[in-house]
Amino acid sequence: GAGVSQSPSNKVTEKGKDVELRCDPISGHTALYWYRQRLGQGLEFLIYFQGNSAPDKSGLPSDRFSAERTGESVSTLTIQRTQQEDSAVYLCASSFREGYNEQFFGPGTRLTVL
Amino acid sequence: AQSVTQLDSHVSVSEGTPVLLRCNYSSSYSPSLFWYVQHPNKGLQLLLKYTSAATLVKGINGFEAEFKKSETSFHLTKPSAHMSDAAEYFCVVSEYGNKLVFGAGTILRVKS
Repeated sequence: GAGVSQSPSNKVTEKGKDVELRCDPISGHTALYWYRQRLGQGLEFLIYFQGNSAPDKSGLPSDRFSAERTGESVSTLTIQRTQQEDSAVYLCASSFREGYNEQFFGPGTRLTVL
Repeated sequence: AQSVTQLDSHVSVSEGTPVLLRCNYSSSYSPSLFWYVQHPNKGLQLLLKYTSAATLVKGINGFEAEFKKSETSFHLTKPSAHMSDAAEYFCVVSEYGNKLVFGAGTILRVKS
């Protein structure tokens, strides 16, 4: 079936605005992960979901960041009061279940905060 | 805590010559290790993974990696580079199969 999809592919916003990033995992995958990739750096883990619950939120950088998942499918990552340091590519991945090693990545959302 | 160090930020090879991308890891437990590749404007793709079976792991496109516990290394190799191998490569560690910890990446350039 289709792979992981993310929208929008690009988002430009002004400092202080809120943004929502969306992830559609592979159908049937119960685990979903969010990562952030800053320019010239590797990926940083943000949060993962097993079903609709989030056992590990340890990577969320501040309380301006939140994520939810409904219906064991779509997930939304929300960044409130965006700052310039939030500029990055936000990547979503899904896997068959938590603890299953292979994660399949989406193409990412490139966020630019002016 | 887990961590990954990719020893070279850039590697340049000629087409047809061997490729070696170096990776050292730190983990408190028996880790799972991965190599992912990211081509320009493309998503991340899994090249290969080690999950405590054979220490020599074969992946796609002729790549392989050897897990050496004594050296805490997981270097990626390919006998003969192809132009299409030019990309950024990430070494990744995971202890519980959930959170992936990525290295900073190695950009591979292949010269004709």
